[in-house]
Amino acid sequence: AQSVSQHNHHVILSEAASLELGCNYSYGGTVNLFWYVQYPGQHLQLLLKYFSGDPLVKGIKGFEAEFIKSKFSFNLRKPSVQWSDTAEYFCAVNAKDSNYQLIWGAGTKLIIKP
Amino acid sequence: DTEVTQTPKHLVMGMTNKKSLKCEQHMGHRAMYWYKQKAKKPPELMFVYSYEKLSINESVPSRFSPECPNSSLLNLHLHALQPEDSALYLCASSLTSGVYNEQFFGPGTRLTVL
Repeated sequence: AQSVSQHNHHVILSEAASLELGCNYSYGGTVNLFWYVQYPGQHLQLLLKYFSGDPLVKGIKGFEAEFIKSKFSFNLRKPSVQWSDTAEYFCAVNAKDSNYQLIWGAGTKLIIKP
Repeated sequence: DTEVTQTPKHLVMGMTNKKSLKCEQHMGHRAMYWYKQKAKKPPELMFVYSYEKLSINESVPSRFSPECPNSSLLNLHLHALQPEDSALYLCASSLTSGVYNEQFFGPGTRLTVL
């Protein structure tokens, strides 16, 4: 079945550590890719998106993601995390096969230790 | 204005009550969405309105009744809910519901059904 997978459900890091959160999808054809973040008690915010062009996408708050079509992946990275990055991170995909509606990964809970 | 607003923030209702959730955006978006989000889970799509017409209903029980009075407003009417319907209800909007639908989310209504 077509799906979006986030490999890590919980990640705990110390401040200044580097971050990589995995996201894989199983849709064929053209896809649009998104990373959303939900800080504690706050609404879902778009971190970054990929529609086309340069597969390395830069988003807000120092986050970036790389679209690797051959691996069906869109991993999120940040070179040095801060305590304020503690949040739930969701990868989402839309495609023609999903009627262009967002299909969500299960989410990754990121905890940054001060 | 790049905000989606939702009222109320919190709602507690009994199983025999009728209540409504409201959502508003003034970004000129023509697609609006209702999602349900349980704790530590990704959002689940309930309804999509495109140009004020219901375009997607994800087999949602009839005790949830959406309404789109105009292009800026979206309501969700609730009647005879069950305790398992307790969740965070999110509204989102996007320019269109098609391929490039970057969705902007509201803060949600935290619903508790007693």
